[in-house]
Amino acid sequence: EPEVTQTPSHQVTQMGQEVILRCVPISNHLYFYWYRQILGQKVEFLVSFYNNEISEKSEIFDDQFSVERPDGSNFTLKIRSTKLEDSAMYFCASSERSGLGSTDTQYFGPGTRLTVL
Amino acid sequence: RKEVEQDPGPFNVPEGATVAFNCTYSNSASQSFFWYRQDCRKEPKLLMSVYSSGNEDGRFTAQLNRASQYISLLIRDSKLSDSATYLCVVNNRAFDRGSTLGRLYFGRGTQLTVWP
Repeated sequence: EPEVTQTPSHQVTQMGQEVILRCVPISNHLYFYWYRQILGQKVEFLVSFYNNEISEKSEIFDDQFSVERPDGSNFTLKIRSTKLEDSAMYFCASSERSGLGSTDTQYFGPGTRLTVL
Repeated sequence: RKEVEQDPGPFNVPEGATVAFNCTYSNSASQSFFWYRQDCRKEPKLLMSVYSSGNEDGRFTAQLNRASQYISLLIRDSKLSDSATYLCVVNNRAFDRGSTLGRLYFGRGTQLTVWP
């Protein structure tokens, strides 16, 4: 069964450093998302991406964050200067379609646990 | 106002029990609805979509009441392997936000422990 993959599984970084989290969405999916989950809290939307551009971003997704699809398979989330409060599990998701009336089910990767020291 | 609200539990039930979870959502324009399950420190995994007509998948039954903005999940004959956190999830595709992509709103989850 196709699945979303993410690397690394765990990233430890110093405050102020840049990190890049990588995702490989399901191959025939065209819509990509990043979510995060701070320990003990709910999963929160960060950004959606389609056709090489951001479709929507949440208030969490400030100028420190950026996303990119550098090639035909990878989808990355960059945090330019990490803060302590960026420590969380970051989940990538993808969906096959997103048309009116469709279910556009989003499938999640296993996540990257980011720890900022 | 929270987009999706769930009873956090925890629910502790014996094997074989029937357990029901409830959820309410605030945006009447929400388009699609799901239950995901999440094991400890793992990713959310789709359990089932929820339709207005109600739908069943084996021991799991989901219901949606759009008028009341209420979603439910019923688990019959609970198994040890059902122990997890159950996430009520609503998808809003907000054309007024300039986006045609779905954006999932998650509840905080209801924790279920099934004991032998």
